[in-house]
Amino acid sequence: DAKTTQPTSMDCAEGRAANLPCNHSTISGNEYVYWYRQIHSQGPQYIIHGLKNNETNEMASLIITEDRKSSTLILPHATLRDTAVYYCIVRPRNNNDMRFGAGTRLTVKP
Amino acid sequence: EAGVAQSPRYKIIEKRQSVAFWCNPISGHATLYWYQQILGQGPKLLIQFQNNGVVDDSQLPKDRFSAERLKGVDSTLKIQPAKLEDSAVYLCASSPDQDSYYGYTFGSGTRLTVV
Repeated sequence: DAKTTQPTSMDCAEGRAANLPCNHSTISGNEYVYWYRQIHSQGPQYIIHGLKNNETNEMASLIITEDRKSSTLILPHATLRDTAVYYCIVRPRNNNDMRFGAGTRLTVKP
Repeated sequence: EAGVAQSPRYKIIEKRQSVAFWCNPISGHATLYWYQQILGQGPKLLIQFQNNGVVDDSQLPKDRFSAERLKGVDSTLKIQPAKLEDSAVYLCASSPDQDSYYGYTFGSGTRLTVV
């Protein structure tokens, strides 16, 4: 019952930007967009989140469309260690109710 | 700071046996979560604790699964009796509170195989 739609898999060349899309057309005004990633045999790891403005941190950038119905996670210079499953999650503002979908499996190739 | 600790890392049991998993959250984190992740799927929330009280256990199969967090710190998740379909990774996560700005931190999980 995830509220997001993501491609099942994507490939990216090492050193290039990886752009991972997410559709969340039913998002409401009090819901954040969160991104986590899960490297093989580890628990999910927080990457970034946003409400309506674009965000950037040391790991990635998050671009949210003006109507907030979709977003893109950008890894500016993908490395082999960025190979993982990336989850886009819509989360209510007042609690940690996170519903994970199947995510996008990103493979970074040399 | 130390992360979320889980043990054991792996467990293999026969169906109808019982099993328990342990989680020690990040120090000071009031909220603790147990997730089940079946191979190829995203994690699914089983239960959420706030200190030693249950906030949400709507997706916990209560006929066979139980969880406790008696002193509001570490937690135990138990399955009794186990079924083949319980084979999964059981993830524990914690956060400072229920509406933590940065979401929460996961442990590495316990991989359960029921044969």
